[in-house]
Amino acid sequence: DAGVIQSPRHEVTEMGQEVTLRCKPISGHDYLFWYRQTMMRGLELLIYFNNNVPIDDSGMPEDRFSAKMPNASFSTLKIQPSEPRDSAVYFCASSLVRLANTGELFFGEGSRLTVL
Amino acid sequence: GNSVTQMEGPVTLSEEAFLTINCTYTATGYPSLFWYVQYPGEGLQLLLKATKADDKGSNKGFEATYRKETTSFHLEKGSVQVSDSAVYFCALKYRGIKAAGNKLTFGGGTRVLVKP
Repeated sequence: DAGVIQSPRHEVTEMGQEVTLRCKPISGHDYLFWYRQTMMRGLELLIYFNNNVPIDDSGMPEDRFSAKMPNASFSTLKIQPSEPRDSAVYFCASSLVRLANTGELFFGEGSRLTVL
Repeated sequence: GNSVTQMEGPVTLSEEAFLTINCTYTATGYPSLFWYVQYPGEGLQLLLKATKADDKGSNKGFEATYRKETTSFHLEKGSVQVSDSAVYFCALKYRGIKAAGNKLTFGGGTRVLVKP
């Protein structure tokens, strides 16, 4: 069974460039989460969707960050313009409503972003 | 607000040693508690969970007991293997089916290195 698929696995870009991270959740899952992992701040929830609708984006750091989920099998996290402090590993996770209610999320392998 | 505090790593052990990773939490009410594990190059995966006071979660030889009186959920394993080398995350979530509550709050993670 395919798990959560993220791309790219690694991205190196220069400050000011636009970055788009992509996520394909597990088929049939109706929750999708974007997390950011850094040494300083640990694992932070940025935004999550239920049935493609954003439910809570209070973790999105600022207007440079945006996330979309145009359909049940695809989501993007965009940073424009990117800054060095955005360097982190970005994780996408998905779940079914009954599993999400119990706290069980399924994570992708992450996208490591480096902004020079 | 809610928060989870874990002991800082790295924790370096020899094979067959006893492992304890401390986790304490701050929350109103009675959250569900979790341990997630992140193996090198992979996303996080649920290791075990407990949903109410005095519950014990267990999996793959790991155990953790929900202690309401000390607001703790320490992870233990009696005899570690090299394959247990990973980063371990303690997390909490409020129970219930309200969509706004489907967020996990993670601790900072504890890196464990088991040497042969």
